[in-house]
Amino acid sequence: DTGVSQNPRHKITKRGQNVTFRCDPISEHNRLYWYRQTLGQGPEFLTYFQNEAQLEKSRLLSDRFSAERPKGSFSTLEIQRTEQGDSAMYLCASSLGGTGGNEQFFGPGTRLTVL
Amino acid sequence: GEDVEQSLFLSVREGDSSVINCTYTDSSSTYLYWYKQEPGAGLQLLTYIFSNMDMKQDQRLTVLLNKKDKHLSLRIADTQTGDSAIYFCAERGYGGATNKLIFGTGTLLAVQP
Repeated sequence: DTGVSQNPRHKITKRGQNVTFRCDPISEHNRLYWYRQTLGQGPEFLTYFQNEAQLEKSRLLSDRFSAERPKGSFSTLEIQRTEQGDSAMYLCASSLGGTGGNEQFFGPGTRLTVL
Repeated sequence: GEDVEQSLFLSVREGDSSVINCTYTDSSSTYLYWYKQEPGAGLQLLTYIFSNMDMKQDQRLTVLLNKKDKHLSLRIADTQTGDSAIYFCAERGYGGATNKLIFGTGTLLAVQP
């Protein structure tokens, strides 16, 4: 257990519905990341926060996706009007900025299935 | 461009050494990482190496970095059945605000008893 928690662990939804995932990072970590992993692939970067500021977004993050980290602690990732192609594992990671290796510690992920 | 490549599968016998290889293309990468993923689980950070190092050893794990060839390897000594998992290498870029990791497609390590 790395200390990063994600909820829910599994989500099944119908196409067109909105879904929201939550990530709670390791408490002293000021950086938080979202990645997406599809079957047989490595994780792909979606977005990154330092404290409450969203500093980087991947082009994978279409306008249907929005992420927030309002108080610089937990983060939410919302997908609007879900599509079958959104089915994937959504991983959250956190790190302590300022350390050399900036090691990112991952949560267990939220598996999304869009029917 | 950014691309990280790994072989898809490696099979070894329990007690043998495993060597998992990775190549990357971003010469400005500052840190390179190895993660382990067991079925249905998140990623576990195993080790990392800074780009000015050639080698790093941590118990049964040895990381070798060849910057000239942009080649990274992870050696697991005395491989155990509990080491069976998917292993990902990842690179972190340099400069600007980026802290994202670029992952390879993963190598499935199967340890035969």
